[in-house]
Amino acid sequence: ETGVTQTPRHLVMGMTNKKSLKCEQHLGHNAMYWYKQSAKKPLELMFVYSLEERVENNSVPSRFSPECPNSSHLFLHLHTLQPEDSALYLCASSQDLVGSVLAYEQYFGPGTRLTVT
Amino acid sequence: RKEVEQDPGPFNVPEGATVAFNCTYSNSASQSFFWYRQDCRKEPKLLMSVYSSGNEDGRFTAQLNRASQYISLLIRDSKLSDSATYLCVVKMADRGSTLGRLYFGRGTQLTVWP
Repeated sequence: ETGVTQTPRHLVMGMTNKKSLKCEQHLGHNAMYWYKQSAKKPLELMFVYSLEERVENNSVPSRFSPECPNSSHLFLHLHTLQPEDSALYLCASSQDLVGSVLAYEQYFGPGTRLTVT
Repeated sequence: RKEVEQDPGPFNVPEGATVAFNCTYSNSASQSFFWYRQDCRKEPKLLMSVYSSGNEDGRFTAQLNRASQYISLLIRDSKLSDSATYLCVVKMADRGSTLGRLYFGRGTQLTVWP
């Protein structure tokens, strides 16, 4: 039912592995986001893309590497993660970027629950 | 101080009860306010925007108090299906930029019991 899909839904990886999270939006939106949701913490914005260009990177460690090949797809490449990176990773899209005047509704995907062992 | 603060709860109320959540925000220049709902192990979804004059959507009423920098959500006649986590969300514009960001509270957990 959601216009934003994410795969995989669950991922367990070791600290030396390399994996990628995939997000696809079917809403014709121009902006896409990666968020991290840890237990007992608010959603943390990680990356923002507008029309395939990264517009924000909130001091995220380099072991997280985003890629936006087109306006419908967003990837998060993971390598040499730490156990504290275990969390729910949510992708979202909105019609356009959150601007100084307007704030568009963000539509979230179901998330990938990541466990780093 | 966190940008958006909420009482995490949990709030446990019987069906039919009225329950209210508050949320405070740190930036007086914040421009837009929302309540999102997140069901257990699901993604957040927009519940309603919060307007300066206050607004109502069925059993849900949202209020904004700019002077005190808080917003509230009132749920009347609670239903079992209202059980979820309610996220307070505030849009703040980056200084000197045309871009804004959404800041999420950690959420308030509500359980409605029969």
